[in-house]
Amino acid sequence: EVQLVQSGAEVKKPGESLKISCKGSGYSFTNYWISWVRQMPGKGLEWMGIIYPGDSDTRYSPSFQGQVTISADKSINTAYLQWSSLKASDTATYYCARYGDYFWPPTSFDYWGQGTLVTVSS
Amino acid sequence: QSVLTQPPSVSAAPGQKVTISCSGSSSNIGNNYVSWYQQLPGTAPKLLIYDNNKRPSGIPDRFSGSKSGTSATLGITGLQTGDEADYYCGTWDSSLSAFYVFGTGTKVTVL
Repeated sequence: EVQLVQSGAEVKKPGESLKISCKGSGYSFTNYWISWVRQMPGKGLEWMGIIYPGDSDTRYSPSFQGQVTISADKSINTAYLQWSSLKASDTATYYCARYGDYFWPPTSFDYWGQGTLVTVSS
Repeated sequence: QSVLTQPPSVSAAPGQKVTISCSGSSSNIGNNYVSWYQQLPGTAPKLLIYDNNKRPSGIPDRFSGSKSGTSATLGITGLQTGDEADYYCGTWDSSLSAFYVFGTGTKVTVL
């Protein structure tokens, strides 16, 4: 069974750093792209970027380029999303999602993590 | 702000049909596959339709997708109370700054 299990909720202060994780299981983690998606409170879905764990090829949405870093450790089947200096506006639920095919560009995301709520408040 | 526009809400009685539109442009819907996602309250999104009109295993045939030009449509027939959720379209945008994009989202209410 394909599963994406994300790390737990975080409460941080503005200016702090953070790295959240998404661990894949039940499939060949290195062969499928993983995306990160933001959902601010009461708002819609926003695509942040995507990584291919096999070679760490990473692409970012223009809206998030330079704001976050996406990485992966294929030895432990885990993808990461990190911030070096959080802002209150980073408060949101973040989802990882798998692109379940080989062809570029991504067309759909077939499995999703349960979400990680990040709260940034002084 | 999303480049894919959906109606904010649609509603119908149980057993009825609803359709949700997703309007884009030639750089996204016009030249790429469309997918649809259902997000039940407090849960992660779930893939409903991929490649414009295909259903993943386990998705009932009450859900259907279509695409014409720069627009796509999700149809839900035999509406059930369990279908109350937010629905999002999604596709790749092949403009200079290539990226995946989700629609603005539509709230389906079962009256």
